[in-house]
Amino acid sequence: DTAVSQTPKYLVTQMGNDKSIKCEQNLGHDTMYWYKQDSKKFLKIMFSYNNKELIINETVPNRFSPKSPDKAHLNLHINSLELGDSAVYFCASSQDQQGWEQYFGPGTRLTVT
Amino acid sequence: GQSLEQPSEVTAVEGAIVQINCTYQTSGFYGLSWYQQHDGGAPTFLSYNALDGLEETGRFSSFLSRSDSYGYLLLQELQMKDSASYFCAVRDSNYQLIWGAGTKLIIKP
Repeated sequence: DTAVSQTPKYLVTQMGNDKSIKCEQNLGHDTMYWYKQDSKKFLKIMFSYNNKELIINETVPNRFSPKSPDKAHLNLHINSLELGDSAVYFCASSQDQQGWEQYFGPGTRLTVT
Repeated sequence: GQSLEQPSEVTAVEGAIVQINCTYQTSGFYGLSWYQQHDGGAPTFLSYNALDGLEETGRFSSFLSRSDSYGYLLLQELQMKDSASYFCAVRDSNYQLIWGAGTKLIIKP
């Protein structure tokens, strides 16, 4: 059984388009995250949700909008895509905000041309 | 500012022991964790230290010294499958995980 799943795995799109990435976890965790990993493999937290409520919103452009319809899902919508948005986006979850072990999804490789 | 420093790359020989260091400077500290990431894969949790000392899990051990703001991951009996990037991460006073830039471990036969 997949613990944290993301779709799509690959996303190739043109500048200016709007796209969404979906994430679901079946672990019963309360907290979910979105990370961006650039070409140098630096992992940057973007957002964190706890029981559907936003608890961390790092400095990311407001073109990025997360949405959590329930605590098992955290989707990421990106408007007006730019070349610099090309990266691998990881969804993750943990038992709660204090949970040490974060479970990562397989990642979505976004390429903006 | 908050920062974690770890070597960008470490090379070792199969069967040997390697240590990956991590020093941190963060606002508050609730513990140090380590993650492994193979090329093309997702990070996976390895270990966590909240208190000083050594934690052992099989071939992997993790050490923490809070007074030195320092920790390390020790990998013993290296296998080719251990070739990966290793990230240290510190939980700060806001319970947010601050990540290091990762250490690429290259293992030679």
